[in-house]
Amino acid sequence: KQEVTQIPAALSVPEGENLVLNCSFTDSAIYNLQWFRQDPGKGLTSLLLIQSSQREQTSGRLNASLDKSSGRSTLYIAASQPGDSATYLCAAVWDSNYQLIWGAGTKLIIKP
Amino acid sequence: KAGVTQTPRYLIKTRGQQVTLSCSPISGHRSVSWYQQTPGQGLQFLFEYFSETQRNKGNFPGRFSGRQFSNSRSEMNVSTLELGDSALYLCASRGGSSYNSPLHFGNGTRLTVT
Repeated sequence: KQEVTQIPAALSVPEGENLVLNCSFTDSAIYNLQWFRQDPGKGLTSLLLIQSSQREQTSGRLNASLDKSSGRSTLYIAASQPGDSATYLCAAVWDSNYQLIWGAGTKLIIKP
Repeated sequence: KAGVTQTPRYLIKTRGQQVTLSCSPISGHRSVSWYQQTPGQGLQFLFEYFSETQRNKGNFPGRFSGRQFSNSRSEMNVSTLELGDSALYLCASRGGSSYNSPLHFGNGTRLTVT
């Protein structure tokens, strides 16, 4: 069964710290891995999408990596800011069904 | 460019009723997908439409249905509502046919079934 797991469920760090969010998935035959953020009462914002042939993607202070052999992806946030506080979700697509399978999310709080 | 628009934002329905939710994608986007978000089950994929055809379907009962119109606007219908259908329903559009195109989400419709 294809599953996506995010640990921890919540994380609180002081402003300015660099941090890593984790995402693990079963079945290494992944099509792509995507990271999103969700702010309270809002929809989701796509942050980064890593195709199966790629190892990482970068956007500003964000860097996402993909290691298919270990079934892991990480989202690195540099120099965290209070505005980074949100729930971060990862989701994977497998080419067996092309459906987005979601992790439960990590709620990130950046303390000023 | 306007984003993805979902209407209404909030709905309160009674068990047994039916409901229709609407989603207008970003102009030019032909793919619309729908998701259910609940505290217990998290986010789950419902279905995806591309150029008026259902391209993919998640594991939901037949009470959940959808359609897409020629202008790419999509509607989702839930019949015979159950208490467990209370959720945030999100739709997303993408600009290409490839699943490697990024998704753009609306703000969702929060459905409460009493």
